[in-house]
Amino acid sequence: GENVEQHPSTLSVQEGDSAVIKCTYSDSASNYFPWYKQELGKRPQLIIDIRSNVGEKKDQRIAVTLNKTAKHFSLHITETQPEDSAVYFCAAASPSNAGGTSYGKLTFGQGTILTVHP
Amino acid sequence: GAGVSQSPRYKVAKRGQDVALRCDPISGHVSLFWYQQALGQGPEFLTYFQNEAQLDKSGLPSDRFFAERPEGSVSTLKIQRTQQEDSAVYLCASSLVTSGRWRSTDTQYFGPGTRLTVL
Repeated sequence: GENVEQHPSTLSVQEGDSAVIKCTYSDSASNYFPWYKQELGKRPQLIIDIRSNVGEKKDQRIAVTLNKTAKHFSLHITETQPEDSAVYFCAAASPSNAGGTSYGKLTFGQGTILTVHP
Repeated sequence: GAGVSQSPRYKVAKRGQDVALRCDPISGHVSLFWYQQALGQGPEFLTYFQNEAQLDKSGLPSDRFFAERPEGSVSTLKIQRTQQEDSAVYLCASSLVTSGRWRSTDTQYFGPGTRLTVL
């Protein structure tokens, strides 16, 4: 099955700096890569995702890059703010055919605790 | 509109008790997933429903875990004879899946989770 490795496990930056979190995956069939932000005691919330037919996607201060050949993808946050502090999870989904309809169970990385100091 | 909701938010059980955790997905969402999140870890897949059909239960850790979605909407995850190692947050997620073969994967929206503590 799919295996996702995420680094670093903790990341501390100063407000205004950039933060980069990297993930690798093992299943070459994976074609969907979401990133979730989870604050303490809260639900995981999708912040950005990328599908395998593109190499980069950007949404304001957040960007994700995907290298299918190397099987790795990265989250980039620019101009970090204290409210960006949270745990970030990457995930990968492989298409699984169930009853004729594709679905993708997510395999998550171990998480990165991001702390942005004012 | 309303997001995914789960109840109870917190559950304390004595070892050996049975528990039932409820998930209300976003209205109209076909797919429903259950994940288990241990402290300090990423969520791990338990089981998947497409409407009322349970199409993948490969992640259920033992036969003490049972999930159902009888009418294709609300789902219940039941754990029998709870053990201390069952202590975790149980997350439910739903997604809107359009029919058709090999469609791209849809976004999964998570509920707030149920924190289960087994004493």
